[in-house]
Amino acid sequence: NAGVTQTPKFQVLKTGQSMTLQCAQDMNHEYMSWYRQDPGMGLRLIHYSVGAGITDQGEVPNGYNVSRSTTEDFPLRLLLAAPSQTSVYFCASSYSGRPTGELFFGEGSRLTVL
Amino acid sequence: AQKITQTQPGMFVQEKEAVTLDCTYDTSDPSYGLFWYKQPSSGEMIFLIYQGSYDQQNATEGRYSLNFQKARKSANLVISASQLGDSAMYFCAMREGGNNDMRFGAGTRLTVKP
Repeated sequence: NAGVTQTPKFQVLKTGQSMTLQCAQDMNHEYMSWYRQDPGMGLRLIHYSVGAGITDQGEVPNGYNVSRSTTEDFPLRLLLAAPSQTSVYFCASSYSGRPTGELFFGEGSRLTVL
Repeated sequence: AQKITQTQPGMFVQEKEAVTLDCTYDTSDPSYGLFWYKQPSSGEMIFLIYQGSYDQQNATEGRYSLNFQKARKSANLVISASQLGDSAMYFCAMREGGNNDMRFGAGTRLTVKP
């Protein structure tokens, strides 16, 4: 049972480059989200989706794009990477967006922008 | 506005003793869920315990219990009989009924001393 799978686990970019962080879940979860984790700031929500074709912004959406063409996949795109985007990124999913549902997390992706 | 507040950046506890990690929250939504996650040094996010806003009793899961004081808007995590493996970052989080996202506090780093 794979759960939530993120790739790559590590990535180094130069300023101005673009990349996509992949996220896939095999639990048939409707809700998927992306967080970034920075020291002393906990996890901050970037974007989320409540189903295929539906996405919305979280707390810190600037510089990131998402799309949700299937239930399983929720990629996060960095179009013009900046050093401020150096962080650990987590993808998470849950059965729904209801308040009773805990999030299931991927293992995280550590991104460094030089 | 910060919805989840964890005021203890770091805590120390002696092995086999109990420890309380503080969490306060802010919401006007009558329906919400409160969650605690553990993040060991390996980086993964581990779900520990959940408390619903309508639950009459405090949640318990093994050595973890949640001291839920609704009027004070606090949801403290109590770990009994601490073990060395409990050393980790602990995050409090909330999910509101009117929103689809989960918001996290800044976290508390717990160190268990032998």
